[in-house]
Amino acid sequence: DAGITQSPRYKITETGRQVTLMCHQTWSHSYMFWYRQDLGHGLRLIYYSAAADITDKGEVPDGYVVSRSKTENFPLTLESATRSQTSVYFCASRGNLGGEQFFGPGTRLTVL
Amino acid sequence: QQQVKQSPQSLIVQKGGISIINCAYENTAFDYFPWYQQFPGKGPALLIAIRPDVSEKKEGRFTISFNKSAKQFSLHIMDSQPGDSATYFCAPSGRTGTASKLTFGTGTRLQVTL
Repeated sequence: DAGITQSPRYKITETGRQVTLMCHQTWSHSYMFWYRQDLGHGLRLIYYSAAADITDKGEVPDGYVVSRSKTENFPLTLESATRSQTSVYFCASRGNLGGEQFFGPGTRLTVL
Repeated sequence: QQQVKQSPQSLIVQKGGISIINCAYENTAFDYFPWYQQFPGKGPALLIAIRPDVSEKKEGRFTISFNKSAKQFSLHIMDSQPGDSATYFCAPSGRTGTASKLTFGTGTRLQVTL
């Protein structure tokens, strides 16, 4: 499928478990981003990547780990999930020259 | 440090009316000023954007007005329609460094009534 995809779309897990959210884009965009969206907070940047093997922290990185071994993939891992990480997670990508970010459909994560 | 301030938080407009949403920013390295539209259950999508070399851009019923000296830009929706009911985010950014991290406003929930 062309564009940007996320999997799974819905996930329920328990406190303390490790969870990985996947993000894949087909445009070969250099930049990729992970956001979480919570009521009252809008979209907050967790991590971003300027290229393969280059990642940097965003506004709320604690409790999350990212990697980017390939340009097209940018997985987000919650090493030990907590209830406060219950949220909707969006992945996005954009090209080198700035401009529009393209968002995936989101993953709704519930941590019990 | 909050770099982007968006107002109002919510807005109710009658069909056919004008909706106005404002965004103030601090980072002078920003050179891309977009508005994203998000419907429930969907990811945000670009609605309209402006570069700092122009003060206004119009696309159909949607207009961005940009005031570089005041570090503000706004979204005007003319002849608002029920289908415009959504949440709108400003998200200024730059091309490199810390400015390349998209910073979203907290969003404006627009409801257009019949």
